Amino acid sequence: ELKVEQNPLFLSMQEGKNYTIYCNYSTTSDRLYWYRQDPGKSLESLFVLLSNGAVKQEGRLMASLDTKARLSTLHITAAVHDLSATYFCAVDSEETSGSRLTFGEGTQLTVNP
Amino acid sequence: DGGITQSPKYLFRKEGQNVTLSCEQNLNHDAMYWYRQDPGQGLRLIYYSQIVNDFQKGDIAEGYSVSREKKESFPLTVTSAQKNPTAFYLCASSTTVNTGELFFGEGSRLTVL
Repeated sequence: ELKVEQNPLFLSMQEGKNYTIYCNYSTTSDRLYWYRQDPGKSLESLFVLLSNGAVKQEGRLMASLDTKARLSTLHITAAVHDLSATYFCAVDSEETSGSRLTFGEGTQLTVNP
Repeated sequence: DGGITQSPKYLFRKEGQNVTLSCEQNLNHDAMYWYRQDPGQGLRLIYYSQIVNDFQKGDIAEGYSVSREKKESFPLTVTSAQKNPTAFYLCASSTTVNTGELFFGEGSRLTVL
C-alpha cells in the first residue's frame, strides 16, 4: 500500500522567511504532484513532476523530485501572506494505468506579517 | 470555459436517506474520480472511471455507488449504508495519457443531520 507523508503538518512563518515542506512516499513512483487548497475551496494544481531530478518554479515556490530517495520538496522563498493555504503532495502509483493519486495529509501554512 | 461543475455546493441530509452528487466536465477527459476529504485531512479515493460504462472502487468505496453512462458525467450516490457521510466531496478528471494531472471541481459539502 502506497503511503505518502508530509512534514511538517502545520507551519507558521513570518513574511520574508524561507522554508521547505517535505513529502516522502513509500513505493516506486516517478509522478508526483503538488496542489494548493484555500479554506473551504477546491484544489488548485501547482506543479507536476514527472522524472527524477525534476525541478519546477513558479514565483516564490519551487518543487523538486528525487525518486531514488522517494522524496519531493516544496521550497518557499521570501514568504508573503498570500501563500497562506494548505499544500498537498500526491503520488501516482505505478501499479495501475491512468492516474490513481494517493495524497499526503497536507501542510497547513500560515504566513504572518 | 472548460471545467468541472459539481452540484449542489451544500447539501443537508437526514440519516437513512440516499443523496446523489452531480459532477459534469466539458474538458473531454476520459477519466473521472471522486474523492472524500474530512476536516484537516488529505483526500481519499472513493471511485474512479477511466472510460464510459466502466468504473473501479477506490480505497473507501463502501456505502457509495457511481455510474458512468456518459463521458461528461460521473454522479456519486451516498447511500444510507455509509456510516459517516458528513464530508467534503471532490470530483476530478484527467486525461489517461500524458501527465495524469487531476483537475478538480469546486466540491460539494454534505452534512448529515
